[in-house]
Parts: sequence; structure tokens; C-alpha cells
Amino acid sequence: GAGVSQSPSNKVTEKGKDVELRCDPISGHTALYWYRQSLGQGLEFLIYFQGNSAPDKSGLPSDRFSAERTGGSVSTLTIQRTQQEDSAVYLCASSWRVSNYEQYFGPGTRLTVT
Amino acid sequence: DQQVKQNSPSLSVQEGRISILNCDYTNSMFDYFLWYKKYPAEGPTFLISISSIKDKNEDGRFTVFLNKSAKHLSLHIVPSQPGDSAVYFCGALKGGLSGSRLTFGEGTQLTVNP
Repeated sequence: GAGVSQSPSNKVTEKGKDVELRCDPISGHTALYWYRQSLGQGLEFLIYFQGNSAPDKSGLPSDRFSAERTGGSVSTLTIQRTQQEDSAVYLCASSWRVSNYEQYFGPGTRLTVT
Repeated sequence: DQQVKQNSPSLSVQEGRISILNCDYTNSMFDYFLWYKKYPAEGPTFLISISSIKDKNEDGRFTVFLNKSAKHLSLHIVPSQPGDSAVYFCGALKGGLSGSRLTFGEGTQLTVNP
């Protein structure tokens, strides 16, 4: 079946603009995760969803970051008033449920803030 | 606070030889560990995992060893193939229904030379 898809694959935006990143998980996966990888850094956890609720938002780096998931499927990660330090690859992953530890990743969205 | 560390940013081996990738962690609450492989411009791909109740898990050419007392795990690839050239991430998590956020190391770039 189809894997995790993310859009756009690349996004260049000016500092101060808002951006919205989309993730479409594997069909039937109830758990959804957002991570990011900054240049030269490892993968950093941002937030996860179980269904439509987000029990753990502790990884969001600031209140400019928010995420939502509706219908237990597609999720959007929104970054308001983007800053240059937000430039990174944003990765989405999904799993059958939170207790299934194998997470399947999408190809990522490369965000560049100029 | 880097809870998962991969101290070798790169590793180069000859085709057919063994590749050993290392990972150390500091959080004793971690009870499940996963290895992912990442090619450029793609999301990480799950390789192999191990629960903290085991000390070894094998899947084809890939074997993961866990030394809980040393808080150390390693991934062995035998024999190494040029197609194994990628960045390898070690991930750790605290299992259970409260969430499965993965904490990753910085990654190790493996190059297998023909």
C-alpha cells in the first residue's frame, strides 16, 4: 500500500511568513509523529498524535509551532512568523498505534527560510 | 541533553567486510531501540529493533546487540554491500501507551566501498 506522504517536498519562504506542512499517514495508522532534522543535527521529536489528540506537545520548540490532525488521518504542522532557525527537513511518521513502536517515515519537507 | 549519542559521524568499510555502528544512551528508562537507514532526500527506513529484555536480535545480514549495563547498542552488517551506504540512525524510546516518541542519535554515515 501507499506509504507516508508529505507535501510540499520543498518550501522556500521569507522570514516572517507563515507556512503549513502536510502529512498523510499510512491508511489505518492511528499514531502520527512529527520530527525535524536541522542541518548537521539528528532527528528531533516535535509532537505526536494518537487519533486526533496530541498528548505530547513537549517537543514543539516555540509557540509559533502548532499542529493539528482531523479525522484521524491527515495532519498539518503550522509555523507562524518563520525564522531562519526554522530551516530544516520536517519529517512525519506513522504507526498502527502508539504501542506499535515501528514508525514509518515520509520523505520529508525541506523548509528553507530566507 | 543528548540522551542518545552516535559518536562516529562516519564509517568506511570494504564490500564484504563487517560494518559495526555504535550507539550509546544515558536514559535508563529507554526500553526499546530501533535502527533506521536514511538515503539522501528520503525519509528514514526502519531496519531492525530490539527490546530491552533481549541482548541480541538478528534479521538477515543485520544484527543488533544490546548491552544494558553499559547502555550501549551496536548494529552489525555482515557482509556489507555498496547499497548499504547511507546514514544510520539509532533511536530509543520508553514504551507503553503513554507515547512512543523516538529519541535519535546524530547518525553515522556508512560508506561501503566496492
